Amino acid sequence: ILNVEQSPQSLHVQEGDSTNFTCSFPSSNFYALHWYRWETAKSPEALFVMTLNGDEKKKGRISATLNTKEGYSYLYIKGSQPEDSATYLCAFDSGTYKYIFGTGTRLKVLA
Amino acid sequence: GAVVSQHPSRVICKSGTSVKIECRSLDFQATTMFWYRQFPKKSLMLMATSNEGSKATYEQGVEKDKFLINHASLTLSTLTVTSAHPEDSSFYICSARSHQGSYEQYFGPGTRLTVT
Repeated sequence: ILNVEQSPQSLHVQEGDSTNFTCSFPSSNFYALHWYRWETAKSPEALFVMTLNGDEKKKGRISATLNTKEGYSYLYIKGSQPEDSATYLCAFDSGTYKYIFGTGTRLKVLA
Repeated sequence: GAVVSQHPSRVICKSGTSVKIECRSLDFQATTMFWYRQFPKKSLMLMATSNEGSKATYEQGVEKDKFLINHASLTLSTLTVTSAHPEDSSFYICSARSHQGSYEQYFGPGTRLTVT
């Protein structure tokens, strides 16, 4: 059974703090790793699609890294803002387009 | 671009009735649509994959007669929960892929189903 783990499950940070969380996934049959940002009552929004070992991607204050050999990806948020509060999901893609999702990390940024 | 809508956002129905959930791609043609279910504090679990004009492919353990999926056009897929029971109460969310070879799936906002 393929398992995707995200940690921590939830965290609270102060506005201005930087934070990061982890997605662990199977190191075999890797095709892509997807990060989504999901606000309550909205659609999950695609942040990054990561495909190559050593990939680093950045979008504004959010960045992500990928290590396919050891099976993990980190998502970093620099200078967190209240509007960054959301659940961050990762999804493992083995190339069959059947995503396997983690349970998400719920981030709350306190003003 | 790449907007997916889902309707209704919330629905309450009585046991034994059927409920239809619609998933639409608003600004692109979706060759493939996916239906997921999420139990409380659990991850999104893929239920089925549907390709326009063909039968859906269901994941192991998902009853195809209980969860009817129709993908009649390139912009619309429907999930019908037939003879709903309280244990079918859950959050259902769809996603769409724009074309073969695309990495990305674009998600709808989900539907909260409560069966009383």
